[in-house]
Amino acid sequence: GDSVTQMEGPVTLSEEAFLTINCTYTATGYPSLFWYVQYPGEGLQLLLKATKADDKGSNKGFEATYRKETTSFHLEKGSVQVSDSAVYFCALSEIGTDKLIFGTGTRLQVFP
Amino acid sequence: DAGITQSPRHKVTETGTPVTLRCHQTENHRYMYWYRQDPGHGLRLIHYSYGVKDTDKGEVSDGYSVSRSKTEDFLLTLESATSSQTSVYFCAISETQGYTDTQYFGPGTRLTVL
Repeated sequence: GDSVTQMEGPVTLSEEAFLTINCTYTATGYPSLFWYVQYPGEGLQLLLKATKADDKGSNKGFEATYRKETTSFHLEKGSVQVSDSAVYFCALSEIGTDKLIFGTGTRLQVFP
Repeated sequence: DAGITQSPRHKVTETGTPVTLRCHQTENHRYMYWYRQDPGHGLRLIHYSYGVKDTDKGEVSDGYSVSRSKTEDFLLTLESATSSQTSVYFCAISETQGYTDTQYFGPGTRLTVL
């Protein structure tokens, strides 16, 4: 079945550092891809999405590009802030059912 | 804000007792979902609904039942709670935007089964 693999955390960075969180997927066809963010004690918020190959999703300085050649959707940000500290989930929408398949999440810790 | 509320937000219960969690939405969405979140597993789908009285099982449905008698409410019931059901439970709705369905999540319910 479909699956999503994320890099294990925690990812620890200093403020203003460059962030990459890797996400790769296995799926039949070309599913929609999503990044969700979960701040401490809160639910998941949609961060960005991409629906077809070569699409770039972006929001709040975060970006991710749908790469069908490498089946990847890596999350990047040029300069992280302490307020970006959270858990980030990569997910795909299963074709035909629209069920979301999640990765295990990556915790990001940003220090001043 | 997709207008999703969950109740209760926190609950502690004992093994063997029944528990019902409620998800309420205000925007008439057809699709609703229940997930559980556990360390090392991300979120896993328990049950989902595609309309009033129309529900189906997800990946981890054993020990759970659901009901949807009104569009706005989706109930998750643990008939006899076990310690393995200690988790954070999230409800979600699906919204169609263009050709893509996007899910939006409620704030979660933290359930502890002693």
